[in-house]
Amino acid sequence: NAGVTQTPKFRVLKTGQSMTLLCAQDMNHEYMYWYRQDPGMGLRLIHYSVGEGTTAKGEVPDGYNVSRLKKQNFLLGLESAAPSQTSVYFCASSSPRRVSGEAFFGQGTRLTVV
Amino acid sequence: GEDVEQSLFLSVREGDSSVINCTYTDSSSTYLYWYKQEPGAGLQLLTYIFSNMDMKQDQRLTVLLNKKDKHLSLRIADTQTGDSAIYFCAERFEQAGTALIFGKGTTLSVSS
Repeated sequence: NAGVTQTPKFRVLKTGQSMTLLCAQDMNHEYMYWYRQDPGMGLRLIHYSVGEGTTAKGEVPDGYNVSRLKKQNFLLGLESAAPSQTSVYFCASSSPRRVSGEAFFGQGTRLTVV
Repeated sequence: GEDVEQSLFLSVREGDSSVINCTYTDSSSTYLYWYKQEPGAGLQLLTYIFSNMDMKQDQRLTVLLNKKDKHLSLRIADTQTGDSAIYFCAERFEQAGTALIFGKGTTLSVSS
């Protein structure tokens, strides 16, 4: 039972490069989220999706794009990486069918932009 | 916007009780959560409480909710060195696909 899987786990990018972070969940959850975690800042919501083909902006969406072409996958793209995007990125999923609505998290992707 | 506040650090001795406090702003939050993050790992759900409850107990964990003051606390009884981690309080934000809004986290350090 894999839960939420993020790839890659680590990445170093040069300023201006692009990359895509992949999140996959095997729990048939409708909702998926991307967060970033920075020291002393907690987790901040970047984008979220309430279903296949739908996405919406969270608290800190600038510089990121997302896509949800399949229910189980949620991709986070950085078109032109900046040092300010150095962070640990977490994907999470949840389902409205679970009354308590807790989110299940992946192990994170540590991204460094130099 | 929605905001969740926590104290940043707590240091206790092994065997003592730990109490981590949190305040939140969205009075319409239906559920409130406590997550634990160990070094280099993702977030693990510890417990949650429904907004119409005052208290929830789960083994060594006790959650207290004061809805009037929008105050949530997590008490860990008989704290162990394995409890050393970052603890996040979170409220459910219904307007964003029930996304969780997190506090900055409380780093719990347990000394033997």
